[in-house]
Amino acid sequence: TQLLEQSPQFLSIQEGENLTVYCNSSSVFSSLQWYRQEPGEGPVLLVTVVTGGEVKKLKRLTFQFGDARKDSSLHITAAQPGDTGLYLCAGDLGAGNMLTFGGGTRLMVKP
Amino acid sequence: GEEVAQTPKHLVRGEGQKAKLYCAPIKGHSYVFWYQQVLKNEFKFLISFQNENVFDETGMPKERFSAKCLPNSPCSLEIQATKLEDSAVYFCASSQERQGASYGYTFGSGTRLTVV
Repeated sequence: TQLLEQSPQFLSIQEGENLTVYCNSSSVFSSLQWYRQEPGEGPVLLVTVVTGGEVKKLKRLTFQFGDARKDSSLHITAAQPGDTGLYLCAGDLGAGNMLTFGGGTRLMVKP
Repeated sequence: GEEVAQTPKHLVRGEGQKAKLYCAPIKGHSYVFWYQQVLKNEFKFLISFQNENVFDETGMPKERFSAKCLPNSPCSLEIQATKLEDSAVYFCASSQERQGASYGYTFGSGTRLTVV
């Protein structure tokens, strides 16, 4: 069982649709980050959320950190083919200096 | 530079051979991390450094894995006597601060190790 559970694992949608990806844990995180990874590349940081209840927007992407800092969501509005990729959440438990990663959500947006 | 440079991009080794991977972190970043990404996208933490000092090595299989970050040299991850199960993509990341809480990690493009 992973410390950070992401859902869904796979998502295939049409261009223009909205979607939400979830990242859940029973542990409390000091901060949580979302990354996007494309084939053959390393993950690229999208956002870091630190405060419980925090909402951050990045163009069509909206990130929310749960009030209890145990969960997070990523919402994409009007998805585009360029959004295709692997989305990873990663949390900082504060106990050490490494991030704990979720299993990822593989998103495909069809034109 | 503003990117984490990993070499080589691909590495093929016969079982039992040695593998050595390199990583040049972003200049000015004090922390370097190594992760292993296996099938199903799982990221496994291996080791982290603060400058040239090991900070956390709780993820390292110590009997065959070793790593260094020496001044004025790329960091390295070495696997002695590789096993089939070591086949994975190895990512290096660097950060300005210990937990990357504010700035996040900058990842390299990874080294794909295939053990045959």
